[in-house]
Amino acid sequence: GEDVEQSLFLSVREGDSSVINCTYTDSSSTYLYWYKQEPGAGLQLLTYIFSNMDMKQDQRLTVLLNKKDKHLSLRIADTQTGDSAIYFCAESKSGGYQKVTFGTGTKLQVIP
Amino acid sequence: DGGITQSPKYLFRKEGQNVTLSCEQNLNHDAMYWYRQDPGQGLRLIYYSQIVNDFQKGDIAEGYSVSREKKESFPLTVTSAQKNPTAFYLCASSKPTGTSGGEQYFGPGTRLTVT
Repeated sequence: GEDVEQSLFLSVREGDSSVINCTYTDSSSTYLYWYKQEPGAGLQLLTYIFSNMDMKQDQRLTVLLNKKDKHLSLRIADTQTGDSAIYFCAESKSGGYQKVTFGTGTKLQVIP
Repeated sequence: DGGITQSPKYLFRKEGQNVTLSCEQNLNHDAMYWYRQDPGQGLRLIYYSQIVNDFQKGDIAEGYSVSREKKESFPLTVTSAQKNPTAFYLCASSKPTGTSGGEQYFGPGTRLTVT
C-alpha cells in the first residue's frame, strides 16, 4: 500500500533556508502535494507537482522531485517566523476521485 | 469569497451521545471528504463522497456515518459506537483531476472532546 514518510521535526534560524524532506513508496503516484498547518487550523495547500516534473518554484518555495528515489523536498528560502507550522507531504494517483495519502507531518520551528 | 466552513470550532459531548459535525462548501466542488487527525499523526480518511447521494467508506469508517443530500453539504455524525471519538476533524473538498491537480481544500476543523 501507499506510505509517505517524513521526519518529525526541523529547526532553523530566521533568514536561513529550510528543507523539508519526504519519501513515498507508491511508484504510480501522479500528484505530490505540500500542505501547511498552523496550530488549531486546517491544512493550507502550498503547492503541488506532477510526477512528470522534477522541479517547481513558487516565490520562496521550491519543490524538487526525484522520481527514481521517490523523494520529494520542499525548500523555503529566507525562512520567517510566520513559516513555523507543521508541513505535510501527500501523494495521490490520477482519477476522478483522489485518495490522498498524507505523511505524518514535519514540525518546522523558526528561531528568531 | 469561496471556501469551506466547519462548525462549531470546539465541541464537547458526554460519552454515549451521538454528535453531528457540519461541513459546508461554496466552491462548487463535486467531491468532499472527512478526515480525523490525532496528535503526532497524519490524516486518516473516514468517509468520502464524489457526488450527491453517494458516499464511500474510508480507512476508519467504523463508528461514523455521513450523508450527502446537497452538493454543498457533507455532515459527519460521530456515533456512540466510535471507541475513541476525541480528535480534530477536518473536512475537505476537491474538483476532479481532469480539471485540476485534484488538490484538496480544507476547512478550519472541529475539535471534538468526549468525556
